[in-house]
Amino acid sequence: DAGVIQSPRHEVTEMGQEVTLRCKPISGHNSLFWYRQTMMRGLELLIYFNNNVPIDDSGMPEDRFSAKMPNASFSTLKIQPSEPRDSAVYFCASSSHGLAGGQTQYFGPGTRLLVL
Amino acid sequence: GNSVTQMEGPVTLSEEAFLTINCTYTATGYPSLFWYVQYPGEGLQLLLKATKADDKGSNKGFEATYRKETTSFHLEKGSVQVSDSAVYFCALSDFGNEKLTFGTGTRLTIIP
Repeated sequence: DAGVIQSPRHEVTEMGQEVTLRCKPISGHNSLFWYRQTMMRGLELLIYFNNNVPIDDSGMPEDRFSAKMPNASFSTLKIQPSEPRDSAVYFCASSSHGLAGGQTQYFGPGTRLLVL
Repeated sequence: GNSVTQMEGPVTLSEEAFLTINCTYTATGYPSLFWYVQYPGEGLQLLLKATKADDKGSNKGFEATYRKETTSFHLEKGSVQVSDSAVYFCALSDFGNEKLTFGTGTRLTIIP
């Protein structure tokens, strides 16, 4: 299996521009997670989907952030307009949903975003 | 709410030293406990996990035991290698809930 695929791996943009991050989860996984990692705040869960439906978006910082999962094999995280404080590494992870919990999340390599 | 507290880093050890990274948790239910590892420039990957009290997770020479009485899940390895240099995250998920609550991470550096 190819694992979780994220693109782009690196993104440099200017403040005010729209940024779109993409994720392809592992085939057969039905839960998908978006995280943000910074030195100051550590690892933060932004949003997660189960069966393409957003379950918890309480971590989305503000209206400038939006996420979609149009099908089981693709998700996007969009920032519009971007600001320098959005600079971070954004990770996508996927897992197989289980009622008992304890499922392993598989992380992608991340997208390193720099907003100038 | 749930929380995970792990020892502050960075931790620097010599090769073949014994490693312990402490992790304690607060949870309302019956959580599953995890250790994830992040190598430089990569995403997190599962190192080991335990889903119920007294379970021991193990992988690549690392071990951690789920201690409900002390709400702890300390990571240990008997003899570390340079290749173990990474950031280690303790995490938990509640029973029936997929969300992971992560600790702040502990950066480990092993010197030859």
